[in-house]
Amino acid sequence: DAGVTQSPTHLIKTRGQQVTLRCSPKSGHDTVSWYQQALGQGPQFIFQYYEEEERQRGNFPDRFSGHQFPNYSSELNVNALLLGDSALYLCASSPPVGVMETQYFGPGTRLLVL
Amino acid sequence: QKEVEQDPGPLSVPEGAIVSLNCTYSNSAFQYFMWYRQYSRKGPELLMYTYSSGNKEDGRFTAQVDKSSKYISLFIRDSQPSDSATYLCAMSSNSGGYQKVTFGIGTKLQVIP
Repeated sequence: DAGVTQSPTHLIKTRGQQVTLRCSPKSGHDTVSWYQQALGQGPQFIFQYYEEEERQRGNFPDRFSGHQFPNYSSELNVNALLLGDSALYLCASSPPVGVMETQYFGPGTRLLVL
Repeated sequence: QKEVEQDPGPLSVPEGAIVSLNCTYSNSAFQYFMWYRQYSRKGPELLMYTYSSGNKEDGRFTAQVDKSSKYISLFIRDSQPSDSATYLCAMSSNSGGYQKVTFGIGTKLQVIP
């Protein structure tokens, strides 16, 4: 089992650009959540996808959007990048409802906005 | 006031010491309590998972939850240099069949050989 995988591992962009990050969930998991972790901070919840729809969202602007595909993989898109978007972006997957476990995280994508 | 409060440290202990890490919270709806370990530049790794109040032990790790005090702890016995990492507490509530997880800021732990 490969666990949760994310790509790319590192990314450098400039202000105003757009970025797409990708995530493949752990085998058997159907729910994907995205988090932003700024340096020295805990992860902050961005949104969660289930059955290809955004199910819940944290306190992030509309510049942050996502998508989930039929195979449960997911993308995070950020438009009009700001310097403050520099962070580690984490994807976490969790199993179907009714299996009382918690989330498993991928290694993250480190985004630097210049 | 943040929903989850955690001392960022750093906390330095000698090898073999017992480590105590703690978090407090304000949201009474939290039901699931987790501890994650995060090595530098890596994603968080789930260590312990507890539902509601009580204790849970896994090898050298013991998690305690006191819902009446809104206080959770992680104890590490016989600490090793490989335990040096940032420890994140996290809490979630189950609403409508899904979880939303809130993290603490993380406590940086250094175990000195």
